[in-house]
Amino acid sequence: DGGITQSPKYLFRKEGQNVTLSCEQNLNHDAMYWYRQDPGQGLRLIYYSQIVNDFQKGDIAEGYSVSREKKESFPLTVTSAQKNPTAFYLCASRGARSDNEQFFGPGTRLTVL
Amino acid sequence: AQSVSQHNHHVILSEAASLELGCNYSYGGTVNLFWYVQYPGQHLQLLLKYFSGDPLVKGIKGFEAEFIKSKFSFNLRKPSVQWSDTAEYFCAVKGQAGTALIFGKGTTLSVSS
Repeated sequence: DGGITQSPKYLFRKEGQNVTLSCEQNLNHDAMYWYRQDPGQGLRLIYYSQIVNDFQKGDIAEGYSVSREKKESFPLTVTSAQKNPTAFYLCASRGARSDNEQFFGPGTRLTVL
Repeated sequence: AQSVSQHNHHVILSEAASLELGCNYSYGGTVNLFWYVQYPGQHLQLLLKYFSGDPLVKGIKGFEAEFIKSKFSFNLRKPSVQWSDTAEYFCAVKGQAGTALIFGKGTTLSVSS
């Protein structure tokens, strides 16, 4: 079954702690993305990676970090520097063809207590 | 900077009513446009996309959208909605930088039976 998996589905964190969200895809896609979804705000781009070992900041990268050591995996770390981390986080991937769309994972809901 | 504007935050319709959701984007160059849908508890999924050619694009579940270049618009339409169309709808444009998408803030559609 091809697709994107994100884990965990729900995550709780205490203030001041870093936490890492997992994103794995078996679609053989080169490009991967992290978005944050807040009510009434749509999706905002945090980071993206077009190829292994390379990634770029999106519109709201402050307080987040990523790595792309393997094609299948693009983990996102929410650091203690992120001022308002409670949100729904969506990972996506995209194939190489120029007319390809992004495919999305099921998301992780992060709550900071 | 590119942006996407969705005119309606929340639309409430009865079954069999016609639907039109507005989407305007700001970018003067070649655009790739998308409508995504997020049904309650489900992944974000693609409804339809426009890359080139016929400006009237047909998607899944009877949805269509018309690209009007002169108006910078990509409105989503459906002649007769069903209760199962209740969802959040996002318009997106492919950004200038890389392959990431820029999303509108979303429109929540509620259909009553």
